Amino acid sequence: NAGVTQTPKFRVLKTGQSMTLLCAQDMNHEYMYWYRQDPGMGLRLIHYSVGEGTTAKGEVPDGYNVSRLKKQNFLLGLESAAPSQTSVYFCASSSRRVEKLFFGSGTQLSVL
Amino acid sequence: GNSVTQMEGPVTLSEEAFLTINCTYTATGYPSLFWYVQYPGEGLQLLLKATKADDKGSNKGFEATYRKETTSFHLEKGSVQVSDSAVYFCALNPLGGGGATNKLIFGTGTLLAVQP
Repeated sequence: NAGVTQTPKFRVLKTGQSMTLLCAQDMNHEYMYWYRQDPGMGLRLIHYSVGEGTTAKGEVPDGYNVSRLKKQNFLLGLESAAPSQTSVYFCASSSRRVEKLFFGSGTQLSVL
Repeated sequence: GNSVTQMEGPVTLSEEAFLTINCTYTATGYPSLFWYVQYPGEGLQLLLKATKADDKGSNKGFEATYRKETTSFHLEKGSVQVSDSAVYFCALNPLGGGGATNKLIFGTGTLLAVQP
């Protein structure tokens, strides 16, 4: 029962570096999401996807790009990291028919 | 616009105390409402949900009733345990269950600490 798996779990970047966060789900879910969690802000939606090959912007998309080349994977990219992107990032997935999100365990990212 | 407001924490209780975490919402249309729980070091998990007015969601001794007249969805539990210590998030799905993409809007979270 893997569910939603995120890699890596921790990462430290220097300003201007790039990286990709990987999210994989084994539940055949149509929808996938990337959220960031910041103190006092709750969770905010960065980007989401309603199916393979599709992506859309969420509430806070600037500075991030995403791709969903395969149904089970949703990648979040930071092309030029900034300190404001220090956060905990959560991936989630859901079925089209059921109003329930399944979350990964998160990636803690620090940008120095 | 759509938004969720929940009480600031932390909420500190003794074991077996009664718990209430307040949540109010603003939404156009007929949203679905949720409580998610985040245990330390883990992702969020769905605790309970309600999809229409007057529905009561319940799970693991927790309950919340969808009150359209007061736009509220307060979380309650009659007797908390140390294992209930976690962060609790109220959330809404603005479009409800009708073919929505489940783009949830979350509150800021309330930390609950239960002491033995």
